[in-house]
Parts: sequence; C-alpha cells; structure tokens
Amino acid sequence: SQTIHQWPATLVQPVGSPLSLECTVEGTSNPNLYWYRQAAGRGLQLLFYSVGIGQISSEVPQNLSASRPQDRQFILSSKKLLLSDSGFYLCAWTADRVLADTQYFGPGTRLTVL
Amino acid sequence: AQTVTQSQPEMSVQEAETVTLSCTYDTSESNYYLFWYKQPPSRQMILVIRQEAYKQQNATENRFSVNFQKAAKSFSLKISDSQLGDTAMYFCALITGANSKLTFGKGITLSVRP
Repeated sequence: SQTIHQWPATLVQPVGSPLSLECTVEGTSNPNLYWYRQAAGRGLQLLFYSVGIGQISSEVPQNLSASRPQDRQFILSSKKLLLSDSGFYLCAWTADRVLADTQYFGPGTRLTVL
Repeated sequence: AQTVTQSQPEMSVQEAETVTLSCTYDTSESNYYLFWYKQPPSRQMILVIRQEAYKQQNATENRFSVNFQKAAKSFSLKISDSQLGDTAMYFCALITGANSKLTFGKGITLSVRP
C-alpha cells in the first residue's frame, strides 16, 4: 500500500533562517506531488505541484521554492524565512498523471517562524 | 476558474443524531470530482468520501453519504449516527480534469456533543 511521509513534524525557526521540508511517497511510481499551506483556522492554499522529476509549477509567488530531485521526493525550501511563512504545510500525492484523481495527504509539518 | 463555497463556519450535533454539511461549487468543466475531507485536531487531512461528476448515484461510505445535485452545483455531506470521533473540521473540495488542481472550501467546524 502507499504511504506518504513528511518531516520534520514540527519546526520552530527564526526569521531569516533557511528552510527545508521533505516529503516522500512509498508504494507508487510517477506520482503527482503537491505542497499546500494552511494558516490557522483556514482552508488550504496550493503552493507548488509537480508531475515529474525536475518539473515544478508554482501557484503563488512568494518566499518559497520547491524541488523534486527524485521520483517520490518533494522538497519545500526557503533561503530566508519570513514571519508570514508560519503555518501548517501539507504534502499530497495522486496516482494518476492524466486524470484528476483523489489526493492523499501526509501528516503535515507545523512551522513557526519567530 | 473553479470555486468551492462552504457558507456555514460551524455546526453542532448531538451524538447519535444526523447532520448535513453544505457545499456549493462552480466550474465550467464537465469532467470533475468532488470530495469531502476531514481534518481532526491532529490536522492530518483524511479523505471521507468522493463523487465522480459523471455518476448519477450518490456516493456512500458507511455512515457518510452525499447528496450530489449536479444541476444546482450542490454537494452536501450527511453524517448519520454521529460519533464523538466525528468532531473535526470538514472541507469540501473540487478537482477538474483540466488542471488537476484541488480547490478547497474554507471548511466547517463540526462538534459532536455527548
């Protein structure tokens, strides 16, 4: 069966520090991968998605970037964190590259920028 | 552009009773899927139920069922025999075949009272 992992689970970082969040999927090949951010008490905002290695689409211009160095690995990064980057970050995958399909989410990373 | 609207921010239900959560959506696409996700206090996003737009029959999953009104663009979730563990935030979401991007509503907080 397929599983999705995210780490770290919780992170507290000072303003101006770098960021690296990792997401990996097991049990499937060639998944579509997604990064979402959720502010407290709010809905999800799509940040990036990827349909293959090295292919990244950005939805919202901001202080963050994403990379996909391997088929089942998706990384969210920042060179210098802002206070507004605080939130809950969720990674998701879907098995079907062509058709819209169900997205399955990882456990998330709670990021606090101080 | 596609939109998902959840106009009720909060609802409360007595344990063992039935509750219905409302959702409306808008899309110009003919091929799309609708979802209800549950987000408990752990904040992991869990799939509750999914509906393919081309299917006329309403989806059901144990105590969860939907009322899909395609012409009215309405997609409500009915939870029967509510349990304390159903207490969570519920998000309605839409994905289309055109761009495979999941659009979320703002969510509704459901509290099940003992």
